[in-house]
This record gives sequence, structure tokens and C-alpha cells, in this order.
Amino acid sequence: AQSVTQLDSHVSVSEGTPVLLRCNYSSSYSPSLFWYVQHPNKGLQLLLKYTSAATLVKGINGFEAEFKKSETSFHLTKPSAHMSDAAEYFCVVSDQGKGDKLIFGTGTRLQVFP
Amino acid sequence: NAGVTQTPKFQVLKTGQSMTLQCAQDMNHEYMSWYRQDPGMGLRLIHYSVGAGITDQGEVPNGYNVSRSTTEDFPLRLLSAAPSQTSVYFCASNSRAGAISSYNEQFFGPGTRLTVL
Repeated sequence: AQSVTQLDSHVSVSEGTPVLLRCNYSSSYSPSLFWYVQHPNKGLQLLLKYTSAATLVKGINGFEAEFKKSETSFHLTKPSAHMSDAAEYFCVVSDQGKGDKLIFGTGTRLQVFP
Repeated sequence: NAGVTQTPKFQVLKTGQSMTLQCAQDMNHEYMSWYRQDPGMGLRLIHYSVGAGITDQGEVPNGYNVSRSTTEDFPLRLLSAAPSQTSVYFCASNSRAGAISSYNEQFFGPGTRLTVL
């Protein structure tokens, strides 16, 4: 069965410093992987997705993630944090063999200090 | 396009009451789903539908019913509310077009915050 583990429940950074949110996955099939962001009291927005075309995926707002099959990881990074990046981030897996069902990680709350 | 809409935004129920959470999308998406979000647990799939007239259970279906009579609407029914169903509920939809539909982005509604006393 597929699963996702987000290694940090909270991450705090200063504005202008790099962001690293860690995610490991487990999947029996070739996975599709996503990062979603949720700002306070809002719905979820897709940041980026991996669908086997390229291992380095660029998303919106300067975020990117690298798919590493050997490490079963899909970490989210951004070179320079902005105050508006403060939110909850979810790593998500969807097995190609099992349709559209999404399996969510437990989330990482990112705090950005001025 | 309004995207995915959910009503109500907030609801308080007493134990044993029933209610329906509404979800509608105007993107002609075949796939729709309901999730619940609880602190520290991410989102968990309750029920989903791959098209009008077809529904199936997700990870946590107990206590919930769904139906899909049209492409646009996918209501979630709580038959007898329990405090354990206090949560934030999200509806989502995506297109199944393309060779591998699981590549396609799921669009989420703004959520319904439900409290059961």
C-alpha cells in the first residue's frame, strides 16, 4: 500500500533563507507525487507535481522538488523564504495503478520569521 | 468558472442529527471526492465517485453516505452525527482526461467546518 511520511511537523525559517520540507514515500507502482499548500482557513492549492517526465519539478512561487527514486524521497525546496510562504504543506502520492485517489502526508507547518 | 463550491462554510450539530454537506463543480470533471481533515492527520478520503451514478468508499467511509446523480453535484450525508465527525470537510474534483488521469490536478473547495456537540 502506498504511504507518505513528512519528516517534520513544523519548520521555522527566517525570511530570505532557504526552505527544505522533507517527504518520503512508499509505493508499489510508479507514483505520481504532489505538493499542496494550505494557507490558514483556506482550501488546498497545488504547488507542483511529479509524473515521471522529469525528476526536478518546478512549481509556483519559486518552489521546486526533486524526485529521488533510490531514496524514495520528494523533498520540497525554495531558495529564499518569503513571509507569504507561511502555511501548511502536504506531500501527496497517487498510484498510477489505482486511479485518482490521493494519499496525504500529515503536513508540515512552515513558519517564516522576519 | 466558480470551480469547486461547498456549502455551508460552518455548521454545528447535536449528536444524532443528520445533515448534508453540499459540493458542486462547474468544470465538467468526472472524478469527485470527499476528504476530512483532522489535526495532525492530513486529509483522509471518505468517499469518491468516478462519474455520475458511480461511487465507492475511501479510507474512512463509516457514518457517511454519498450519491452522484449528476456530474456537477456530489453531496455528503451524515445520517446520525457523532462527536468523532467533528472535522473540516473538503470536496475535490479532477478531470479524468488523458492517458493517466492520476496525473491531473485535483481542485479543492474551500471546506466546511463541522462541529458535533
